Amino acid sequence: TQLLEQSPQFLSIQEGENLTVYCNSSSVFSSLQWYRQEPGEGPVLLVTVVTGGEVKKLKRLTFQFGDARKDSSLHITAAQTGDTGLYLCAVGMGNQFYFGTGTSLTVIP
Amino acid sequence: GAVVSQHPSWVICKSGTSVKIECRSLDFQATTMFWYRQFPKQSLMLMATSNEGSKATYEQGVEKDKFLINHASLTLSTLTVTSAHPEDSSFYICSAPWGGSEQPQHFGDGTRLSIL
Repeated sequence: TQLLEQSPQFLSIQEGENLTVYCNSSSVFSSLQWYRQEPGEGPVLLVTVVTGGEVKKLKRLTFQFGDARKDSSLHITAAQTGDTGLYLCAVGMGNQFYFGTGTSLTVIP
Repeated sequence: GAVVSQHPSWVICKSGTSVKIECRSLDFQATTMFWYRQFPKQSLMLMATSNEGSKATYEQGVEKDKFLINHASLTLSTLTVTSAHPEDSSFYICSAPWGGSEQPQHFGDGTRLSIL
């Protein structure tokens, strides 16, 4: 079983549409991060959420950390073609660092 | 600029060859580095945690003798894929944390390994 389950795994939408990506776990975390990765490159940090219930906004992206700090969501408003990529949630546990199962987003012009 | 440098970025070699991938932290020391493997359109799977001055910690199912990790200094970790076979072909990425392991990571740009 995966520590962090993301849904959906694949998402293809039209430019201008809204979408939400979910990251779920049965474990409690002190913090959680979201990354975006493009093919052939390393992931790039988007945000870190720390407090249960916390909401952070990054332009058209809204990130929320669940009240119990077991899950998180990423909402994109009015998606653009430049948002295409692999979105990954991630956490550090013990001396390891784990990624979620990933959501591959394609925004169609 | 990049704070973690990974080299080489692309390797193509024959089956049976051993391949070494380097991960260097630039301008900061990393007592811990992480090595990941990634298949197309899939997430990063943690292979092992590289610890400076001690043995690496491998994730379940990862062959220690197949994927040799050495963290000889505070700025360099290496992953050697020994006697590589086509099924070892993948994208390998290293990272080093900004602070503790729960902190955001600096990532290398990855190494595309293709075994013929």
